[in-house]
Amino acid sequence: GNSVTQMEGPVTLSEEAFLTINCTYTATGYPSLFWYVQYPGEGLQLLLKATKADDKGSNKGFEATYRKETTSFHLEKGSVQVSDSAVYFCALRGGSNYKLTFGKGTLLTVNP
Amino acid sequence: DAGVIQSPRHEVTEMGQEVTLRCKPISGHDYLFWYRQTMMRGLELLIYFNNNVPIDDSGMPEDRFSAKMPNASFSTLKIQPSEPRDSAVYFCASSLTGGAGNEQFFGPGTRLTVL
Repeated sequence: GNSVTQMEGPVTLSEEAFLTINCTYTATGYPSLFWYVQYPGEGLQLLLKATKADDKGSNKGFEATYRKETTSFHLEKGSVQVSDSAVYFCALRGGSNYKLTFGKGTLLTVNP
Repeated sequence: DAGVIQSPRHEVTEMGQEVTLRCKPISGHDYLFWYRQTMMRGLELLIYFNNNVPIDDSGMPEDRFSAKMPNASFSTLKIQPSEPRDSAVYFCASSLTGGAGNEQFFGPGTRLTVL
């Protein structure tokens, strides 16, 4: 079946530091890949997505590239801000199945 | 658009009581999902509907849980009887059909505490 593995953290960084959160997946066929973000006390929001190999999703300074050869979708940001503090979830959806499979989430804390 | 609406936002109940969680999806969305989030198990899909019909309920933990979608604008998740291990945040999400890249829009969640 489908599965997503992401670094569990927590990750603590200083403002303006570089961020990487690793995500790898197992799936049959050609899944779509997503990063969702959850701010404290809120539901999940889509951060970015990629639907085919070599696609790069980007939003709010965050980027992730769909690497089929390494089955990875690592999240990166060049300079984090305090407002980026949240839990980040990597997820996949496989083929015609509308179910999302989530990783366990990574808590990011950015200190001023 | 108001987004996905869930009620109540917080529920505290005693073991053995019936709990009903409610969800109003975004108008026009034809998929609705119920998730449960706990520290131990992360985010789990419980059940999802397409055009008000349950498609996959394999994530429903046991017979104490049931979900209905009587119309396109309303769904309920019921737990009867509730147990302390049901304490979690329950999210409802909705999406449009038409492609594997379609976004799921999440509600703010219901935080359930069973004493």
